[in-house]
Amino acid sequence: GAVVSQHPSWVICKSGTSVKIECRSLDFQATTMFWYRQFPKQSLMLMATSNEGSKATYEQGVEKDKFLINHASLTLSTLTVTSAHPEDSSFYICRAGSVAKNIQYFGAGTRLSVL
Amino acid sequence: QKEVEQNSGPLSVPEGAIASLNCTYSDRVSQSFFWYRQYSGKSPELIMSIYSNGDKEDGRFTAQLNKASQYVSLLIRDSQPSDSATYLCAVGSGAGSYQLTFGKGTKLSVIP
Repeated sequence: GAVVSQHPSWVICKSGTSVKIECRSLDFQATTMFWYRQFPKQSLMLMATSNEGSKATYEQGVEKDKFLINHASLTLSTLTVTSAHPEDSSFYICRAGSVAKNIQYFGAGTRLSVL
Repeated sequence: QKEVEQNSGPLSVPEGAIASLNCTYSDRVSQSFFWYRQYSGKSPELIMSIYSNGDKEDGRFTAQLNKASQYVSLLIRDSQPSDSATYLCAVGSGAGSYQLTFGKGTKLSVIP
């Protein structure tokens, strides 16, 4: 079974609304979470890296006030897309990792469509 | 800036043939190398990891690493239509090889 659970798998929302995506590590404590965005026919683009209990580190060009990342516990990280616009429509994927166990797993991804 | 380069393809091979996927990377201090398979609309799935020079075999898959040439490849023997997907090369650095840089992927089509 999945060791990283990501929800929802698909969401449609109206422009201007906010959407929260959850990523949970089921069998291990994820010390680090990575959030990616993937547009059609393009590769994964790292948006931000977060360590439990710390503020996320955002990649250049990613608006931290628009993409809010919370990693309050070792098993849960959330990405909130605030005031979503059609150009935010994309496939968002989390990746959870544990330094102690030297493991890392992707979530199943969330397809976001903003109307 | 760390870069990982892959031929975008598409690479078409007949069923039963060997598919060869290539990847080069720019960061000489990279320590870990991964191949992921991604089906359309799905998240990447790890199929191979390799950390030292040489070959590593797992079933029909063989990963090859040459750090001197900064080159890593993936061979898929006896290719099946179910192998049709995009293959992403990823290069890791940092503690636990957490920081992964992904290539743009090579789309593989296995023709029945």
